Amino acid sequence: NAGVTQTPKFRILKIGQSMTLQCTQDMNHNYMYWYRQDPGMGLKLIYYSVGAGITDKGEVPNGYNVSRSTTEDFPLRLELAAPSQTSVYFCASSQDSEKLFFGSGTQLSVL
Amino acid sequence: GEDVEQSLFLSVREGDSSVINCTYTDSSSTYLYWYKQEPGAGLQLLTYIFSNMDMKQDQRLTVLLNKKDKHLSLRIADTQTGDSAIYFCAVASGSARQLTFGSGTQLTVLP
Repeated sequence: NAGVTQTPKFRILKIGQSMTLQCTQDMNHNYMYWYRQDPGMGLKLIYYSVGAGITDKGEVPNGYNVSRSTTEDFPLRLELAAPSQTSVYFCASSQDSEKLFFGSGTQLSVL
Repeated sequence: GEDVEQSLFLSVREGDSSVINCTYTDSSSTYLYWYKQEPGAGLQLLTYIFSNMDMKQDQRLTVLLNKKDKHLSLRIADTQTGDSAIYFCAVASGSARQLTFGSGTQLTVLP
């Protein structure tokens, strides 16, 4: 039972580079979320999706894009990486938005 | 938007009870959660309470909700060294029950 899988676990980017953080879940959950966690802080919602083909902005969406072409996958795209995007990124999913299941995170550094 | 506040640090002796407190601002919040995060790991759901409940007990964990004061607490009985971690309070609101997190309370259990 894999749950929520995030790749990569670690990544270092140069300013201006782009990358995609992958997230997949095998629980057939409708709801999926992307959060970022800055040092010593709680998690902030970047984007979320209530089902395939539907996405919406969270609290801190600037500099990111998402897509939800399938129920299983919810990739997060950074087009022009900036030092302010250095953070730990968590993907989560839930069936009824009552209980969220989190992935183990992607630690991203932008230098 | 929603604002969730927690104290940053708590130290207790092994075997004592720990009480972690949280305050929030949005009175329409439906579900309130406690998550645990160990170093380098994702978030693990410990327990949650629906807004029409005052208390929920689950083994060593007791959650108390005071809706009038918008105050949530987590009591851990017989605290063990394995309970040392960061504990996050989170409050759900919105159509997809997006979570707003507090900054986390670092619990240190002393032998």
